[in-house]
Amino acid sequence: SYELTQPPSVSVSPGQTARITCSGDALPKQYAYWYQQKPGQAPVLVIYKDSERPSGIPERFSGSSSGTTVTLTISGVQAEDEADYYCQSADSINTYVFGTGTKVTVL
Amino acid sequence: EVQLVESGGGLVQPGGSLRLSCAASGFTFSSYWMSWVRQAPGKGLEWVANIKQDGSKKYYVDSVKGRFTISRDNAKTSLYLQMNSLRAEDTAVYYCARDLYEAFDSWGQGTMVTVSS
Repeated sequence: SYELTQPPSVSVSPGQTARITCSGDALPKQYAYWYQQKPGQAPVLVIYKDSERPSGIPERFSGSSSGTTVTLTISGVQAEDEADYYCQSADSINTYVFGTGTKVTVL
Repeated sequence: EVQLVESGGGLVQPGGSLRLSCAASGFTFSSYWMSWVRQAPGKGLEWVANIKQDGSKKYYVDSVKGRFTISRDNAKTSLYLQMNSLRAEDTAVYYCARDLYEAFDSWGQGTMVTVSS
């Protein structure tokens, strides 16, 4: 299986914009998904199919895709957005891979 | 409301076995693929296995092939993971997740598996 690479950490001040990238060779052919995980909790899906937002997820969460890189953007970051974020995609043989994870710190 | 509740975790010696269960409610269980995803302490997420609605197709991450078996009982709306020949590197929180065949839209709270002598 292939790898999805994310920056280990991103720091942002409240009200600013956080951008988290995820790079992988198969991303031009496969959709990407994003999960938020707070300490001691299960992950929560925040973006599906590159840029769609599930019901109940705040509008400040958005996703985009360009070539081998997908990006999760959190606009107007709030203290409650401090969490680990993982991208995820499917490979070509009915299996899945997660990104390395990014810790978002709200300063 | 979708609910997934895992059970069966615990402490097991290397080479031992454990069977995890996941009780599902709040949705038509038999209509969905289901997956197990794990997370080693302080590490990232790793997909482990998934199973088709009728149990006819199953897929595994390479590191567990031949040791783990995923199964389901649609009448009991339950998902299982039989883990044999356990290794220290299998130590993790194991999550049950509803599988949309590309991603996971609902997760349980997880059950901890510790492999240690």
